[in-house]
Amino acid sequence: AQSVTQLGSHVSVSEGALVLLRCNYSSSVPPYLFWYVQYPNQGLQLLLKYTSAATLVKGINGFEAEFKKSETSFHLTKPSAHMSDAAEYFCAVSDRQAGTALIFGKGTTLSVSS
Amino acid sequence: ETGVTQSPTHLIKTRGQQVTLRCSSQSGHNTVSWYQQALGQGPQFIFQYYREEENGRGNFPPRFSGLQFPNYSSELNVNALELDDSALYLCASSLGGRDYNEQFFGPGTRLTVL
Repeated sequence: AQSVTQLGSHVSVSEGALVLLRCNYSSSVPPYLFWYVQYPNQGLQLLLKYTSAATLVKGINGFEAEFKKSETSFHLTKPSAHMSDAAEYFCAVSDRQAGTALIFGKGTTLSVSS
Repeated sequence: ETGVTQSPTHLIKTRGQQVTLRCSSQSGHNTVSWYQQALGQGPQFIFQYYREEENGRGNFPPRFSGLQFPNYSSELNVNALELDDSALYLCASSLGGRDYNEQFFGPGTRLTVL
């Protein structure tokens, strides 16, 4: 069964610093991979997705992620954190078949200090 | 284009009662998935409906049931509520049959079971 591991339940950075949120997946076949963001009392918003095109994926709000098959990783980065980036971030995986479920990690809370 | 909507926003029930949550999918989408997000956890897949038929189910007991209507809106029903059913219930819609499973989430229904 597929699974997702997000290393670090809480990450704190200063405004302007690099953001790095880690995600590793377990799957025998490269799956589809997603990063979602959740602001307090809201649903999930898709930041970016990997669907086997370019391994470096650019998303909204300046975020990007790189798919590394050899490391089974899909880490999320942003060069310069902004206060508005403070939120909960979820990595998710689904297999390469339309209509299958998203399997989510436990999430990483990003705090940004001024 | 209208996004995914859910009702009600909040709900309080007592143990043993039954509850119905509703979801309207995004225009043009024919697939609805339901997720349960317990406090401090990632969303967990409950089930998915594609063109009014159940198209996959997660590890949830039969007292969690659903429906999808001809207009592709959906209901989640939970019978014999337990305290552990307290969670945020998220609905996501997508266009089934595509080569990847991009899901668009609603704001969720917060269910509290006392």
